[in-house]
Amino acid sequence: SQTIHQWPATLVQPVGSPLSLECTVEGTSNPNLYWYRQAAGRGLQLLFYSVGIGQISSEVPQNLSASRPQDRQFILSSKKLLLSDSGFYLCAWEDRVAKNIQYFGAGTRLSVL
Amino acid sequence: AQSVTQPDIHITVSEGASLELRCNYSYGATPYLFWYVQSPGQGLQLLLKYFSGDTLVQGIKGFEAEFKRSQSSFNLRKPSVHWSDAAEYFCAVGYDYKLSFGAGTTVTVRA
Repeated sequence: SQTIHQWPATLVQPVGSPLSLECTVEGTSNPNLYWYRQAAGRGLQLLFYSVGIGQISSEVPQNLSASRPQDRQFILSSKKLLLSDSGFYLCAWEDRVAKNIQYFGAGTRLSVL
Repeated sequence: AQSVTQPDIHITVSEGASLELRCNYSYGATPYLFWYVQSPGQGLQLLLKYFSGDTLVQGIKGFEAEFKRSQSSFNLRKPSVHWSDAAEYFCAVGYDYKLSFGAGTTVTVRA
C-alpha cells in the first residue's frame, strides 16, 4: 500500500533562518506531488505542485521554493524565513490514474519567531 | 474560475443527532467533488468523492453526500453523529491536476 511521510512534525525557527521540509511517498511511482499551507482558521492554499522530477509549478508568489530531486521526494525550502511563513504545511500525492484523488501527509507545524 | 464555499464556519451538534454540512462550488465543467476530514494537528483524510453517475455517494465512517447540479451543491450528511466525528471538514473541487478547497467547517459534538 502507499504511504506518505512528512518530517519534521513540528518546527520552531527564528526569522531569517533557512527551511527544509521533506516529503516522501512509498508504494507508488511517478505520482503528482503537492505542497499546501494551512493558516489558522483558514482553508488550504496550494503552494506548489509537481508532475515529474525537476518539474515544479508555483501557484502563488512567495518566499518559498520547492524541488523534486527524486521521483517520490518533494522538498519545500526557504533561504530566509519570514514571520508570515508560520503555518501548517501539508504534502500530498496523487495517483495519475486516479485523477484528482489526493492523499495527505500528517503535516508539519512551522512556527517562525 | 473554480471556487468552493462552505457557508458554515462552525457547527455544534449533539451526539446521536444528524449532521449536514453545506458546500457550494463554482466550476465551468463537470466537477470532481470531494469531502475531506481533518482531526486537530493531523493531515486530511478523504471521506468520499463524486466523479459522475449516481448523485448520492457513500463514503467512509457512515458519511454520504449528494451532488445537485442545479444548485451547484455537494452537501455532506451523517444520520447519527458520534463524538469521534468532531473535526474540521473540507469540501474541494478538482480541476486539471489540482484541488481547490473551501475554508472548512469545524464540527463540535456535545454529549
